[in-house]
Amino acid sequence: EAGVAQSPRYKIIEKRQSVAFWCNPISGHATLYWYQQILGQGPKLLIQFQNNGVVDDSQLPKDRFSAERLKGVDSTLKIQPAKLEDSAVYLCASRTILYEQYFGPGTRLTVT
Amino acid sequence: DAKTTQPTSMDCAEGRAANLPCNHSTISGNEYVYWYRQIHSQGPQYIIHGLKNNETNEMASLIITEDRKSSTLILPHATLRDTAVYYCIVIIQGAQKLVFGQGTRLTINP
Repeated sequence: EAGVAQSPRYKIIEKRQSVAFWCNPISGHATLYWYQQILGQGPKLLIQFQNNGVVDDSQLPKDRFSAERLKGVDSTLKIQPAKLEDSAVYLCASRTILYEQYFGPGTRLTVT
Repeated sequence: DAKTTQPTSMDCAEGRAANLPCNHSTISGNEYVYWYRQIHSQGPQYIIHGLKNNETNEMASLIITEDRKSSTLILPHATLRDTAVYYCIVIIQGAQKLVFGQGTRLTINP
């Protein structure tokens, strides 16, 4: 089965610009997650969707980050405006009714 | 969710068994032990999980102590491709959120 797809794989932007990341989860996976992983740290959950509804966005900096999951399939994560500290890898993961999460390859964002 | 403690880094020779410890002394009765690993420039990958019995799959074995306060992930014949950061995570049954710590950076040496 195809894995979690993410694009782009790499993005370089200047601070105060906006950026968007796209995620296509494994077919049939109702739960989708976005994580932020800063260099040298473990991934940190930003937002969790169940179908197209938000389950947990307590760690999402809502003044600049937004995410949506239209039709309960693909998802986009947006940052507007970006700050230097947003430089990180953004990981998307999806999950079935079992407990394992399947992660995509991530998007490496560099903010200059 | 219970917190976990793992060594920051470990080394192992190729072909030998790699034993990665994890301490989770505050684990409660309905919490599972999960292991994920993250190879450089990739997303984390599920390895194995268990509640109280030892578990084995094609990737690894998980040994959980009888009091459940610690566990060991065993990679029986480590290869260079097993070089990665290994995360031990304790989560309640049915919970959907993974909380990653710093993990153990395992280096397999030729």
